[in-house]
Amino acid sequence: ETGVTQTPRHLVMGMTNKKSLKCEQHLGHNAMYWYKQSAKKPLELMFVYNFKEQTENNSVPSRFSPECPNSSHLFLHLHTLQPEDSALYLCASSQIPGSTEAFFGQGTRLTVV
Amino acid sequence: SQQGEEDPQALSIQEGENATMNCSYKTSINNLQWYRQNSGRGLVHLILIRSNEREKHSGRLRVTLDTSKKSSSLLITASRAADTASYFCATNYGQNFVFGPGTRLSVLP
Repeated sequence: ETGVTQTPRHLVMGMTNKKSLKCEQHLGHNAMYWYKQSAKKPLELMFVYNFKEQTENNSVPSRFSPECPNSSHLFLHLHTLQPEDSALYLCASSQIPGSTEAFFGQGTRLTVV
Repeated sequence: SQQGEEDPQALSIQEGENATMNCSYKTSINNLQWYRQNSGRGLVHLILIRSNEREKHSGRLRVTLDTSKKSSSLLITASRAADTASYFCATNYGQNFVFGPGTRLSVLP
């Protein structure tokens, strides 16, 4: 266990559904991240939060909506997704953004049908 | 792009052999990190090397950094079947971690 917990581990959703991914860390870290990992592609940074404030949005489509209510929790709200959005979504946290080691959750395997 | 690039893309060795993976990057860094990922799981941090360090060890892992060549290498000695995984280098870019495409290591028993 890395101290970062993601739920659910697997999710199948239709293109018209609305769902949310949850990430929780109790490591006392200040930065949290969402990454997307598609088959045969490098990890793509989606969003960065530092002290609950969004500091990076890597040109992510608006059908992905992040929420960070506090430093320990991060959500990714999903709506009207496309099949190409199927991927492994990874949450990570670190003490200092981009400067210290990142701790990753186990990921949510998302399939859009 | 700041993205690191690992080399080779895939590596297959026999148990007990050493495995070497390389990473190249494009711009100045504060540190470089190596991560491991078992299939379909999250990434696990292995080692961080700072820009003013040239070599670092952790158990069977040895990492080198050459900032003049903008490259790093990860050596796994006396490999085991359990070392089978994908290995990624990550560099800091602003407040972000930027990962390369990874090296897929297969250790055959």
